[in-house]
Amino acid sequence: SQQGEEDPQALSIQEGENATMNCSYKTSINNLQWYRQNSGRGLVHLILIRSNEREKHSGRLRVTLDTSKKSSSLLITASRAADTASYFCATDGGGSEKLVFGKGTKLTVNP
Amino acid sequence: EAGVAQSPRYKIIEKRQSVAFWCNPISGHATLYWYQQILGQGPKLLIQFQNNGVVDDSQLPKDRFSAERLKGVDSTLKIQPAKLEDSAVYLCASSLALGAYTIYFGEGSWLTVV
Repeated sequence: SQQGEEDPQALSIQEGENATMNCSYKTSINNLQWYRQNSGRGLVHLILIRSNEREKHSGRLRVTLDTSKKSSSLLITASRAADTASYFCATDGGGSEKLVFGKGTKLTVNP
Repeated sequence: EAGVAQSPRYKIIEKRQSVAFWCNPISGHATLYWYQQILGQGPKLLIQFQNNGVVDDSQLPKDRFSAERLKGVDSTLKIQPAKLEDSAVYLCASSLALGAYTIYFGEGSWLTVV
């Protein structure tokens, strides 16, 4: 079963704009991670946020976590065409160390 | 540092045939994962190894899928007999250990069953 649910399913923006993707999950978690997948490629780890953290930054990425709402958001600032990819959230916890992925948000950044 | 290696990258087989995928994880990584990703969906964990022991295989269709990780390094995933619904990308991944560690994915093995 898939724990995380990304929203929106697809997002199209212009280069330079910010992109925000959301992830909601159902059970308690230990950690939440975001991954990127370029078309036809494997997944690449972007950022990990622990359940006791509220916000984390990495370059142009900003992740927030609200455990009371069981949700997370990924913000990509000043987007570039190279950011075009699918973005997945993944959670572990709820009694299991298994990492469970959502269905992903497909981001298209138009030049 | 070499990444997770997988082969073959692409495979087309007829239904009821068998296929095997091979994975070589990053050196020193104790945990190895096989995920199945159907087009348009997120990866689904099939099996997870810690060294050469199985940690989780609850979503592995054991009547047709099998996986092993001999000597705690390389792993193979086999499907026999294949069904049309097995068409997917099979992603191998590894991490240093269980728990809050980054998972590194290979490029995947694309399977089409016709």
